Amino acid sequence: AQTVTQSQPEMSVQEAETVTLSCTYDTSENNYYLFWYKQPPSRQMILVIRQEAYKQQNATENRFSVNFQKAAKSFSLKISDSQLGDTAMYFCAFMKEGAGNMLTFGGGTRLMVKP
Amino acid sequence: NAGVMQNPRHLVRRRGQEARLRCSPMKGHSHVYWYRQLPEEGLKFMVYLQKENIIDESGMPKERFSAEFPKEGPSILRIQQVVRGDSAAYFCASSRRNTGNEQFFGPGTRLTVL
Repeated sequence: AQTVTQSQPEMSVQEAETVTLSCTYDTSENNYYLFWYKQPPSRQMILVIRQEAYKQQNATENRFSVNFQKAAKSFSLKISDSQLGDTAMYFCAFMKEGAGNMLTFGGGTRLMVKP
Repeated sequence: NAGVMQNPRHLVRRRGQEARLRCSPMKGHSHVYWYRQLPEEGLKFMVYLQKENIIDESGMPKERFSAEFPKEGPSILRIQQVVRGDSAAYFCASSRRNTGNEQFFGPGTRLTVL
């Protein structure tokens, strides 16, 4: 079974600064996908970024980028130029390749962006 | 294109009653997933369904919980004889294919058991 660990329960960052959220996972699979989801106070789950394990290049979406280290089983999220609207819970998630792909989520990191 | 719809958004039940949660996937999506989120925790997988089939129910409690996704109509998560420990947010997600695709989430149903 897969496990996902987010070791930072809470973080804060000043507006316009950069923050990095950590995520590690444990799996014996070679092919899989990794995701970061954002859950604002509205509780809606919003996909932030997606990474395929077979791709060496780190995924980037505007101000959001990841540092994917497959050997270390690490998948951190970097948010640049933080905005007040980035305040939310952030969940790292794992999905193995193949049929029946449920998402396995970490426990989340609560990010507060301060003005 | 409407997103994943869930209703009701909030549901209050007394212990021993039944709860029915509904989920309509996005148009063109035939894969539905249910997740449960306890307070201050991440989401936990419950069940994966396709039309008229339960594909994986490894995350479902063995008793009182059931799910279906009929040929017509929404997917239903049913909880019989609810207990206080069932209080949680229940999220439905849908995807187009079953391999590596993004799962789009609904707004969730917050169940409160009194």
